[in-house]
Amino acid sequence: EVQLLESGGGLVQPGGSLKLSCAASGFTFNSVAMSWVRQAPGKGLQWVSTINNSGGTTFYTDSVKGRFTVSRDSSKNTLYLQMNSLRVEDTAVYYCAKYAGGGGWSLIYFDYWGQGAQVTVSS
Amino acid sequence: QSVLTQPPSASGTPGQRVTISCSGSSSNIGSSAVNWYQQLPGAAPKLLMYSNNWRPSGVPDRFSGSKSGASASLAISGLQSEDEADYYCTAWDDRMNGWVFGGGTKLTVL
Repeated sequence: EVQLLESGGGLVQPGGSLKLSCAASGFTFNSVAMSWVRQAPGKGLQWVSTINNSGGTTFYTDSVKGRFTVSRDSSKNTLYLQMNSLRVEDTAVYYCAKYAGGGGWSLIYFDYWGQGAQVTVSS
Repeated sequence: QSVLTQPPSASGTPGQRVTISCSGSSSNIGSSAVNWYQQLPGAAPKLLMYSNNWRPSGVPDRFSGSKSGASASLAISGLQSEDEADYYCTAWDDRMNGWVFGGGTKLTVL
């Protein structure tokens, strides 16, 4: 059974840092790309970042470029999101999601999601 | 402002058929597969439809998807009360080099 368990969320002041983790199990972690998707309170879903299966390719949405860093540790089956220079508008539930499918980025899709980690940026 | 455009709300009575649209452009829906997610209140999103019109195992065949040009749609037939949820479309965007989502459609079963 696929399981994705996020941790590391919490309350942080503007300008602060936080590191999210996503512990994965039930599938071959080093074979699949992974992503972070967030949802601000009462709002829709927003893709944040993606990392390929080897960790050699990463993508970010424009609003987090230069502030967030996605990484993965295959020895621990864990995905990370290092978030620096946090802003009030980064307040959201952050979900990690695994990909399925093949044939290129335009053909793959998120097939499993974690339950989410709450990140609140406030003074 | 979401890159993909969905109606903010939709509704129907039990047994009815409802359709949710998702409009994009040549850089996303026009050149990529469309996927749909269902989010029940207080829960994580769940994959509902992938590659335009494929249902994951366990998703009832009451749900169907289609795509034409830069637009896609999700149809739900035989509407049931448990279908009341938020629905999101998403696709890869070549110009943004990332995934874009619709703003979500809140489906109400009257």
